Amino acid sequence: NAGVTQTPKFQVLKTGQSMTLQCAQDMNHNSMYWYRQDPGMGLRLIYYSASEGTTDKGEVPNGYNVSRLNKREFSLRLESAAPSQTSVYFCASRTSPGNSGNTIYFGEGSWLTVV
Amino acid sequence: AQSVSQHNHHVILSEAASLELGCNYSYGGTVNLFWYVQYPGQHLQLLLKYFSGDPLVKGIKGFEAEFIKSKFSFNLRKPSVQWSDTAEYFCAVNVRGKLIFGQGTELSVKP
Repeated sequence: NAGVTQTPKFQVLKTGQSMTLQCAQDMNHNSMYWYRQDPGMGLRLIYYSASEGTTDKGEVPNGYNVSRLNKREFSLRLESAAPSQTSVYFCASRTSPGNSGNTIYFGEGSWLTVV
Repeated sequence: AQSVSQHNHHVILSEAASLELGCNYSYGGTVNLFWYVQYPGQHLQLLLKYFSGDPLVKGIKGFEAEFIKSKFSFNLRKPSVQWSDTAEYFCAVNVRGKLIFGQGTELSVKP
């Protein structure tokens, strides 16, 4: 039972390059999320997907795109990386949206550096 | 906009000292509350959660938190910290399916 799996774990990009962070969960969860974590800022929501086929912007969506490929997978794409996107990215999932209080499960994080 | 505030950015304690980390949120409706911990170099793990019922909730590793609705607070406590509790702690509020995090509190425990 892998839970939430993110790839890659570490990546260095040059400014202007593009890349995709992959996320997959094997818990049959409906909702999936992408967060970024920066010192002193906590975790900030980039995009989320309440269910397969839907995506919505979070607090800091600029410079990112997402794809909910199927129920299992939710990818985050940086089209033209900028140094401000240097961060640790976390994918997460939970059973259903709404105020049900279901626990959210996190991946192990992806460390991205843009030079 | 909904927000979560953690009062302490960095807390330094000696082993066996008591811990209390503050968390306040700004949302008037029904909320679900969480504390997460991130040990150095590791990913986020759930410490404890409050959905409803007894406002004093117990989590893993001897942590507990008290939900005080009138104060919009959900403070994390531990009677006696250990060196292994050195980590970053995040309070979070579930608002209509979105999990909103505080800025995090870094806890350093001196042996």
